[in-house]
Amino acid sequence: AQTVTQSQPEMSVQEAETVTLSCTYDTSESNYYLFWYKQPPSRQMILVIRQEAYKQQNATENRFSVNFQKAAKSFSLKISDSQLGDTAMYFCAFMKHIEDNAGNMLTFGGGTRLMVKP
Amino acid sequence: GAGVSQSPSNKVTEKGKDVELRCDPISGHTALYWYRQSLGQGLEFLIYFQGNSAPDKSGLPSDRFSAERTGGSVSTLTIQRTQQEDSAVYLCASRRTGSGELFFGEGSRLTVL
Repeated sequence: AQTVTQSQPEMSVQEAETVTLSCTYDTSESNYYLFWYKQPPSRQMILVIRQEAYKQQNATENRFSVNFQKAAKSFSLKISDSQLGDTAMYFCAFMKHIEDNAGNMLTFGGGTRLMVKP
Repeated sequence: GAGVSQSPSNKVTEKGKDVELRCDPISGHTALYWYRQSLGQGLEFLIYFQGNSAPDKSGLPSDRFSAERTGGSVSTLTIQRTQQEDSAVYLCASRRTGSGELFFGEGSRLTVL
């Protein structure tokens, strides 16, 4: 079974500054996806960024980037130039590679509540 | 619709009553998931449907919980004899074949009095 751990229940950052959210996971799989989802107060989960485990290059989406360390099973999210709209819960998640249809659920960490302060 | 649709958005019920929560996934998405999110907590996997395969029910917390997916599209999550600990937001998500990304609905907030 896979486990995902987010060790920071809450974080805060000043607007325009950079913040890094931590995530570690445990798996015996070699091929998988990792995701960061954002959940604003509206409740809807929104995909922020994803990483395929076979890719060594870290994924980047505008102000969001990840530091994927496969050997260390670490997958942190960096938010640059933080904006007020980034205030939300952030969840790290793991999924086995989709070619194996058995058990393709998304396993979530406990979440990090991020507050961006003006 | 363009996204995953869930209804009702909010449901208040009395302890012991049965409730049904509905999920209408994105058209063409073969995989459908139900998760539960208690207040301020992470997401707990409940059940997963993939095409015509038998669903993965490993996350259902008790036999009071069941789900079905008719015609490979709409899904209904049923909770029988609701208890106060069932109060949570129930999230549905769908995924198309060949993609790792899940698309979530806005959830159904269940409050059991």
